[in-house]
Amino acid sequence: DIQLTQSPSFLSASVGDRVTITCRASQGISSDLAWYRQKPGKAPKLLIYAASTLQSGVPSRFSGSGSGTEFTLTISSLQPEDFATYYCQQLNSYPRCFGQGTKLEI
Amino acid sequence: EVQLVQSGAEVKKPGESLKISCKGSGYSFTNYWIGWVRQMPGKGLEWMGIIYPGDSDTRYSPYFRGQVTMSADKSISTAYLQWSSLKASDTAMYYCARQGAGSPTYYFDYWGQGTLVTVSS
Repeated sequence: DIQLTQSPSFLSASVGDRVTITCRASQGISSDLAWYRQKPGKAPKLLIYAASTLQSGVPSRFSGSGSGTEFTLTISSLQPEDFATYYCQQLNSYPRCFGQGTKLEI
Repeated sequence: EVQLVQSGAEVKKPGESLKISCKGSGYSFTNYWIGWVRQMPGKGLEWMGIIYPGDSDTRYSPYFRGQVTMSADKSISTAYLQWSSLKASDTAMYYCARQGAGSPTYYFDYWGQGTLVTVSS
């Protein structure tokens, strides 16, 4: 099975900051990666798929990059609603596992 | 509007059976996969498996195969997740989500609100 490792697991930042979260796959997965944001008590929300394609309706401050084994999610200017937990998910092979999550705190 | 509406919270005893549901609307239910994701209290997301309601084809995570059963009734646009004998360790929030049928659409683009399952004696 493919394993995904996110770093960091916890990140402290302020409104307006630029932050980057990394997701590393245990083997190459081409561009088959998605990113989600989960606010406390809510279902996850799709942000990016195919490593860098912004889901419809998602603000342009979110961007994704990478291919193969290393991927990044960047938020260019943090807004209050962005303080949440972020997950990557590999879409290359079964089981389509998630990373362990990155909690973004104020 | 695409919606996935899940059944309500459940409180069960160890050893009991349970079936939770996920009803889709606003799209062609038989043309997309439905996935199930577990989130144990304070923990991350776990991919359990997916089912294609068009023909009930399934893909299970090895960790969950044999522990749960996924099914679907396309006539009422509803997918199900069931347990035959619950354990305390099944206590979690369970989400259903819609997945596309071909690459690169294997992501979950719409999610249900979640069903909280509590197993306690």
